[in-house]
Amino acid sequence: SAVISQKPSRDICQRGTSLTIQCQVDSQVTMMFWYRQQPGQSLTLIATANQGSEATYESGFVIDKFPISRPNLTFSTLTVSNMSPEDSSIYLCSVSGSNQPQHFGDGTRLSIL
Amino acid sequence: AQTVTQSQPEMSVQEAETVTLSCTYDTSENNYYLFWYKQPPSRQMILVIRQEAYKQQNATENRFSVNFQKAAKSFSLKISDSQLGDTAMYFCAFIGGGSNYKLTFGKGTLLTVNP
Repeated sequence: SAVISQKPSRDICQRGTSLTIQCQVDSQVTMMFWYRQQPGQSLTLIATANQGSEATYESGFVIDKFPISRPNLTFSTLTVSNMSPEDSSIYLCSVSGSNQPQHFGDGTRLSIL
Repeated sequence: AQTVTQSQPEMSVQEAETVTLSCTYDTSENNYYLFWYKQPPSRQMILVIRQEAYKQQNATENRFSVNFQKAAKSFSLKISDSQLGDTAMYFCAFIGGGSNYKLTFGKGTLLTVNP
């Protein structure tokens, strides 16, 4: 399976600031996704990162709050904008090929003060 | 919309014993994929096992096996010879047979293996 590097692994941020999380894969992949896992909860899909076009967001998530880039088939970024304490979560990227299961990065633990 | 239900928030088992985690799902699709993921305290999501709905044979990966009952929409995970390293959150997940590849997760079951 693909090796997925996610950075940073954790961060503590001030409210009102923004943080960009990077996801790098060691091989080209068809699909890349971003998930949020709030404390003690399951994973919720934020968006599908589309190479060369705008991301596809799930209900309840908007581009202004979670802008996503995917400049090529091995890299994507998720920005959490204008952060508030409610944004304290683990953010995970995952990748998938055609008819393949999703594999996840190690996640970014984000705390907002 | 698909839903995945894990009715056991927490479970515990003694080391070397066998434990079964339950999962049910709801879908109108005929072709789909089911997964069990493990999330230890390190928070990494690890794929444990995968089942294609069109396959009647239950998937097996070493000590991990599933009991897939398509008509009942049930997908339980059996862990044999439990080890301390199996302590983790276990999430059941579903992907529809369409082309979107989006995973729907259950709420998870926290499994503790006791020495």
